[in-house]
Amino acid sequence: ELKVEQNPLFLSMQEGKNYTIYCNYSTTSDRLYWYRQDPGKSLESLFVLLSNGAVKQEGRLMASLDTKARLSTLHITAAVHDLSATYFCAGGTQGGSEKLVFGKGTKLTVNP
Amino acid sequence: NAGVTQTPKFQVLKTGQSMTLQCAQDMNHEYMSWYRQDPGMGLRLIHYSVGAGITDQGEVPNGYNVSRSTTEDFPLRLLSAAPSQTSVYFCASISGRGYGFETQYFGPGTRLLVL
Repeated sequence: ELKVEQNPLFLSMQEGKNYTIYCNYSTTSDRLYWYRQDPGKSLESLFVLLSNGAVKQEGRLMASLDTKARLSTLHITAAVHDLSATYFCAGGTQGGSEKLVFGKGTKLTVNP
Repeated sequence: NAGVTQTPKFQVLKTGQSMTLQCAQDMNHEYMSWYRQDPGMGLRLIHYSVGAGITDQGEVPNGYNVSRSTTEDFPLRLLSAAPSQTSVYFCASISGRGYGFETQYFGPGTRLLVL
């Protein structure tokens, strides 16, 4: 049974700083997803990582996947206030994202 | 395209009542899912569907039924509401499923309060 753990669960950082959110998963997962959720809103897809060593970047966010370590990271570069949100990682086991196991989320607050 | 729509946006039920949460998408996606989100718990899969007429259980299916008579609609039925079902419910559909450009589209959610 796939289990997904994120850390930290809460992250407060200053604008301009860099930080990394970690996502560990317990068994083989054939894909890893990252999502963003603003307070009271729905989820927005950020990245899908399909293979070992995959790296994807969008603006100040970069996600990577190490299947051997069962670890994905979401790296934030030079944080800005607009990045404040809750970030979720999720693992899939059936070749697609219809059956995902989510982590508990990391609530990121970027302070001026 | 309206994307993924959910109705109602908010609902209050009494224990024992039944109701149906509606989910519709106009993107002709085969794959759809229902999740519930509870504080501090992330999202948990209730049921999912891989096409019209085909559904399967997720992690927390007890107390919920689904059906998929058309590609567009994927309703979630609460058979006899319980306070433990107080949650935010999200429906999602998938484009490009299985490919590197796969994207999941989430609906706006339904907030359910069971008294």
